[in-house]
Amino acid sequence: DQQVKQNSPSLSVQEGRISILNCDYTNSMFDYFLWYKKYPAEGPTFLISISSIKDKNEDGRFTVFLNKSAKHLSLHIVPSQPGDSAVYFCAASAQGANSKLTFGKGITLSVRP
Amino acid sequence: EPEVTQTPSHQVTQMGQEVILRCVPISNHLYFYWYRQILGQKVEFLVSFYNNEISEKSEIFDDQFSVERPDGSNFTLKIRSTKLEDSAMYFCASSFPGTGGIEQYFGPGTRLTVT
Repeated sequence: DQQVKQNSPSLSVQEGRISILNCDYTNSMFDYFLWYKKYPAEGPTFLISISSIKDKNEDGRFTVFLNKSAKHLSLHIVPSQPGDSAVYFCAASAQGANSKLTFGKGITLSVRP
Repeated sequence: EPEVTQTPSHQVTQMGQEVILRCVPISNHLYFYWYRQILGQKVEFLVSFYNNEISEKSEIFDDQFSVERPDGSNFTLKIRSTKLEDSAMYFCASSFPGTGGIEQYFGPGTRLTVT
């Protein structure tokens, strides 16, 4: 059951450059999308979210873009910092409050100094 | 900043034993969840809980699992008779849906090892 797909298992970027993390989904009922960051031995930390009525949401260095027709979203981190090195999970939800999150497998981001 | 806490951080148990994993959600949150992540796999939804009852549960959440909010602060997950395949990280999460969205905030997890 791969309703949320993160096809690239890892990404390595130079400090200061842009990191682009991609996510695809198949379930048309998803109407809310979230990105989480996870360090080893810690729980997922909420980063940024976007509703399906928007196509972009920005918070500081993090911007999420949503392309509903392509069922694709991406997380841009600019500029990337070594502290951004972590596993990034894309998650999706349907039907509002109290809805379960469906996660992708995650992408390991490494930011090289 | 308020956070979700979980205890214990690591639990080792023998197959067939009962375990209780504990969580303290963020104090003004209304919705509570359990997820698990088997090593190398995705984070998977187990159950959601609101207003003292289960809202939704996954196929994983069979009769061996139960949840409870015994008081105003704790939220527990009980596995009655553990199996080897229950070994995983178990994450508690909570949310307070408002006009902004439905972000769920996760605790640090409990690593359950069944031997």
